[in-house]
Amino acid sequence: ILNVEQSPQSLHVQEGDSTNFTCSFPSSNFYALHWYRWETAKSPEALFVMTLNGDEKKKGRISATLNTKEGYSYLYIKGSQPEDSATYLCARNTGGFKTIFGAGTRLFVKA
Amino acid sequence: DAMVIQNPRYQVTQFGKPVTLSCSQTLNHNVMYWYQQKSSQAPKLLFHYYDKDFNNEADTPDNFQSRRPNTSFCFLDIRSPGLGDAAMYLCATSRDGDSYEQYFGPGTRLTVT
Repeated sequence: ILNVEQSPQSLHVQEGDSTNFTCSFPSSNFYALHWYRWETAKSPEALFVMTLNGDEKKKGRISATLNTKEGYSYLYIKGSQPEDSATYLCARNTGGFKTIFGAGTRLFVKA
Repeated sequence: DAMVIQNPRYQVTQFGKPVTLSCSQTLNHNVMYWYQQKSSQAPKLLFHYYDKDFNNEADTPDNFQSRRPNTSFCFLDIRSPGLGDAAMYLCATSRDGDSYEQYFGPGTRLTVT
């Protein structure tokens, strides 16, 4: 993997469903992995930053895990709500100021 | 309270007509970034400032310039916009690089006619 790849590109779920998405990245020269949530017409906002292999972070119903050896991170949303509808971006930092973003997973939660 | 402000939110310019996008921050962060995001693609870093030090990405076209007159403000100048420059332009700030999270503005959507 040369770039940061996210899957799926989009996801439609029903309110109450739990869901997860994947972020894949080159495992070499890893420093940090960021997750951002971007709601339509708003600013992207940081959800998590993880730096260590095996890191797990949680914020309310949203959690994330990190595997730096194999180069992936999962984002989980438990009991999706309509307000969770957004684009979820992951981004890899190799140290310094360059952060490479994925194209995002667009989540639609239907009430 | 908005911490990273971008003006305008929508900008229409003509092919070849210079345009400036602005960004301001109330966070007093050292680093300011400009990203370009084309439809359904990943945001792409154009350049960043660490304080007054300007750092251009190798693949950023010469058509794109930036100015940071003080800590709070940063401008993106597109000298001769082409149709391919139509995109969402995101400004972000962070205290430092590495694992520091970035704080984003809402973006400016640029249309080139």
